[in-house]
Amino acid sequence: GESVGLHLPTLSVQEGDNSIINCAYSNSASDYFIWYKQESGKGPQFIIDIRSNMDKRQGQRVTVLLNKTVKHLSLQIAATQPGDSAVYFCAENRGRDSNYQLIWGAGTKLIIKP
Amino acid sequence: DTEVTQTPKHLVMGMTNKKSLKCEQHMGHRAMYWYKQKAKKPPELMFVYSYEKLSINESVPSRFSPECPNSSLLNLHLHALQPEDSALYLCASSQVASGRDEQFFGPGTRLTVL
Repeated sequence: GESVGLHLPTLSVQEGDNSIINCAYSNSASDYFIWYKQESGKGPQFIIDIRSNMDKRQGQRVTVLLNKTVKHLSLQIAATQPGDSAVYFCAENRGRDSNYQLIWGAGTKLIIKP
Repeated sequence: DTEVTQTPKHLVMGMTNKKSLKCEQHMGHRAMYWYKQKAKKPPELMFVYSYEKLSINESVPSRFSPECPNSSLLNLHLHALQPEDSALYLCASSQVASGRDEQFFGPGTRLTVL
């Protein structure tokens, strides 16, 4: 089965609050991680990525944290807005072990409460 | 132009029909992908083309036949499909097929097999 998993399939957050979406992985050989956002009726859209030589990377309103000790990845969204409603997928790359392709997690649906 | 386009948006076909899905990108990317996505699931990789050559076939049944006529176009020919093949078919592209760079996704073709 997939080793990239998520702790919560659905996350409800009040508009304006911060959101944290978690992801676990089991293969220590993974060296690249990426987050995608998929809105209803659309294809996945890149949010942010991080390589294993980093612990943290920031984008616009988003931060990805990587804890290699416990094999945990998280996506933090600051000041959540209605447009953030979507399914969020984490994915990892294991290099040659995965034919250099992405291994996708199950996804977390983020619901924004007004 | 950072867009991947897919046609048609929706397709309904019988089990004896032959149809084709089309994908186009003009970003100069040399890797193109077909994914299948069932509802509430992550995308599943089907095929990868690298420099217009098929590099990965994830054990996809022969009723799905990919074609890459040139570096900008990717087709998926469908023949004798089964109802369980109904899904969202996503095309994506990236600069190269390294698994370590952003994949740009199209909006998908919603396929229904009757």
